[in-house]
Amino acid sequence: AQKITQTQPGMFVQEKEAVTLDCTYDTSDQSYGLFWYKQPSSGEMIFLIYQGSYDEQNATEGRYSLNFQKARKSANLVISASQLGDSAMYFCAMRDVYGNNRLAFGKGNQVVVIP
Amino acid sequence: DADVTQTPRNRITKTGKRIMLECSQTKGHDRMYWYRQDPGLGLRLIYYSFDVKDINKGEISDGYSVSRQAQAKFSLSLESAIPNQTALYFCATSDPEGAFFGQGTRLTVV
Repeated sequence: AQKITQTQPGMFVQEKEAVTLDCTYDTSDQSYGLFWYKQPSSGEMIFLIYQGSYDEQNATEGRYSLNFQKARKSANLVISASQLGDSAMYFCAMRDVYGNNRLAFGKGNQVVVIP
Repeated sequence: DADVTQTPRNRITKTGKRIMLECSQTKGHDRMYWYRQDPGLGLRLIYYSFDVKDINKGEISDGYSVSRQAQAKFSLSLESAIPNQTALYFCATSDPEGAFFGQGTRLTVV
């Protein structure tokens, strides 16, 4: 079965600092995709970034980057220059053929940005 | 307009009632999903569909059923609602490089 692990407790981050959110995954597949989502207090799920398992370069989208370490099965999200609006829950997710292409989620990381 | 629309956004229902949550999408994706979210448990997959004729159970399908009426429509039903089905429900669609969520339906079963 797919397994996505996010184990960090809630994090407080100073505004303008960078923050790294850890995500490890478990799969036997060679072809898979990794995703990060943001869920603010309003509840919607906002897609942030995608990394394919065969992508040689780490994905970046504005202030978001994904530190992909395939051998370690790690897909950490880095948010640079944190803003107050970054306060939210962040979810890591994976889709792989082994999991029948379902999208499976970790339990999330809570981030609070403080001024 | 949102690409993935869920109705209703909020619903309170009584134990034993049948309720349907609806989802429609304009993204043209074949893949659609229903998840529920409970505090501390992340998102758990209830059902998913890869096309109109393909319906699959997720990890927590008991007590739920779905219908894929068209490529754009995927509804979730609770045949006889119970209080532990109180949760935030999400519909999603996906292509190979992303999954896109509706705004969620907050369901309370009393």
